[in-house]
This record gives sequence, structure tokens and C-alpha cells, in this order.
Amino acid sequence: NAGVTQTPKFRILKIGQSMTLQCTQDMNHNYMYWYRQDPGMGLKLIYYSVGAGITDKGEVPNGYNVSRSTTEDFPLRLELAAPSQTSVYFCASTRRGTYEQYFGPGTRLTVT
Amino acid sequence: AQKITQTQPGMFVQEKEAVTLDCTYDTSDPSYGLFWYKQPSSGEMIFLIYQGSYDQQNATEGRYSLNFQKARKSANLVISASQLGDSAMYFCAMRDLGGSQGNLIFGKGTKLSVKP
Repeated sequence: NAGVTQTPKFRILKIGQSMTLQCTQDMNHNYMYWYRQDPGMGLKLIYYSVGAGITDKGEVPNGYNVSRSTTEDFPLRLELAAPSQTSVYFCASTRRGTYEQYFGPGTRLTVT
Repeated sequence: AQKITQTQPGMFVQEKEAVTLDCTYDTSDPSYGLFWYKQPSSGEMIFLIYQGSYDQQNATEGRYSLNFQKARKSANLVISASQLGDSAMYFCAMRDLGGSQGNLIFGKGTKLSVKP
């Protein structure tokens, strides 16, 4: 019973590099989300998806891209990493009509 | 726009005592849900308790209860009989149940420290 899995757990990037944060859920949830948590703050929504092939921007989408080709996977792409993207990234999922969101363990990203 | 306010950056409580963590919210949506999450130092987000806007009774889950006062737009978390393992960050969040996004709006959190 894996739930929501994220890889990698930690990553250090140099300014200008790119990377993809992976997120997979095995609960057949149609809704998936990417949040970022800056130090001492709550989580803010980056992008979300209500189903395969459908994505939309959240509160802080600049510098990121997403895709949702399958129900299970929702990768987050960082292009041209900047120090302002140093944060902890959480992926979450839920089923329409239910209330609880299931979170992955997070990815701690440092851009130097 | 929806907003969550947690005014207590940090709280201390003696072990075995009860503690209340404050949360106020702002929304114009009639159907919404309120959540509390715990984030220990290990970093994961742990769901604690949920209250729907139309629920008549306050939610309870073991030692956790949610003091829901709709007219005041408050959703305080009460932890009874605090344990050392309760030391963590606590986040209040809300979700519009009628909308299409379904995402959570989070407060800035309260750091709870339980003293032995």
C-alpha cells in the first residue's frame, strides 16, 4: 500500500539547471497537486490536475511546468532553477467527492 | 479569496495538559472543509482531523477535537493530555468543497513544544 510516492527525497541543483520531481499515486485518485513549503511557512499550490490530460496553475506556478499523461503520475518540471525555488515540494492526491488529501513524503530541493 | 490565519507562531504546553491552537478562516463559499495537519521534524504531513461547514457537531479524533465556531469563523484544534510526541508544527487548512480545484489553503502554522 504505497500511497503517494515522491522521488528524489533530496536534491541540490546549481542555478540554471533543470530537473523533474516525480510523483506517483496508486489509489486511482483523479485529483493531484503540487505544493511548495518555504521555511517557516505553510504550503502553497503550484499546479494541480483534475484528471489525465488536464492541468492548471495554482498560486505560484512561475518557473514550473507539469504534465499528467496517466492517472498515476504527475511530474513537476523545474526549468532554469533559481535560488528562490529552494523549498520542500509536496505532491498530494485525492478522489473527487472525498475530503482527505494524501501527501507524499516531500522532496527537499536546494538551489545554489 | 479564501484565507487561513494562525496567530500563534509558537506554543508551549506541559506534558499531560490540554492545549488549544487557534485558527480563523475567511471564505465566501457556503460549502467548505476545515483540516488540521501535523508536521513533525521529519517533515511529512499527517492528517489529524476534518470538519465540514455543514457538520452540526464538532469533530473529534482520539485526543484531537476541533472547536468549530461558524459565526466567528474559527476552527481551533484542541489536544487533550499532551504527549512529548505531540511536539511538531501544526497547520490549519481549508478547502472549497463546491469548487473544481479541491486544493487546500494553508495557514502559516503553529510550532507546539511539549515540556516534560
